[in-house]
Amino acid sequence: QKEVEQNSGPLSVPEGAIASLNCTYSDRGSQSFFWYRQYSGKSPELIMSIYSNGDKEDGRFTAQLNKASQYVSLLIRDSQPSDSATYLCAVNSNSGYALNFGKGTSLLVTP
Amino acid sequence: GAGVSQSPSNKVTEKGKDVELRCDPISGHTALYWYRQRLGQGLEFLIYFQGNSAPDKSGLPSDRFSAERTGESVSTLTIQRTQQEDSAVYLCASSLYRGNYGYTFGSGTRLTVV
Repeated sequence: QKEVEQNSGPLSVPEGAIASLNCTYSDRGSQSFFWYRQYSGKSPELIMSIYSNGDKEDGRFTAQLNKASQYVSLLIRDSQPSDSATYLCAVNSNSGYALNFGKGTSLLVTP
Repeated sequence: GAGVSQSPSNKVTEKGKDVELRCDPISGHTALYWYRQRLGQGLEFLIYFQGNSAPDKSGLPSDRFSAERTGESVSTLTIQRTQQEDSAVYLCASSLYRGNYGYTFGSGTRLTVV
């Protein structure tokens, strides 16, 4: 069973702070890693992808990957109330065809 | 099309009835996926289609669930003899190839079995 684990939260951060979201995965063959944002009542939206160890930055978002530790994280700088959503970690491996999703971490950014 | 289109957006059905959900993927996306999301829960994989290859049905929860896709076009998910536990949002997604570049999700079909 390929597992993707996330803390369900809620994670509460004040506006302007850095939000740090974490994810671990069990399949060492995993090759592709994604973060999705899901607003309440909406479908998931892809916000970041990462494929190699290290950091990848896109605007206020930074994804970090450590394959040796089987760990992927998402940092959101200068958090805004509009960032309040559930963040889903998703992992793909060459041995499978569909993404495995974590249950998501609920983020609340307070004004 | 510009995005993944799902219909209907909402469906209320009586227990025991059959329902059919439709997904129209992004043009050119060879891979298509169905997921289920129960209220307050994570995404549960149901089935995957890749071009004309045999689908991966490993996530279908029972033989009441089936899905079809012709080539790289529209897919339909059919649930026979619906049960209350089938109530969920059914999400369809498509991608260029095997999800290696991430998915684009449709807006989902909210199914309520009464």
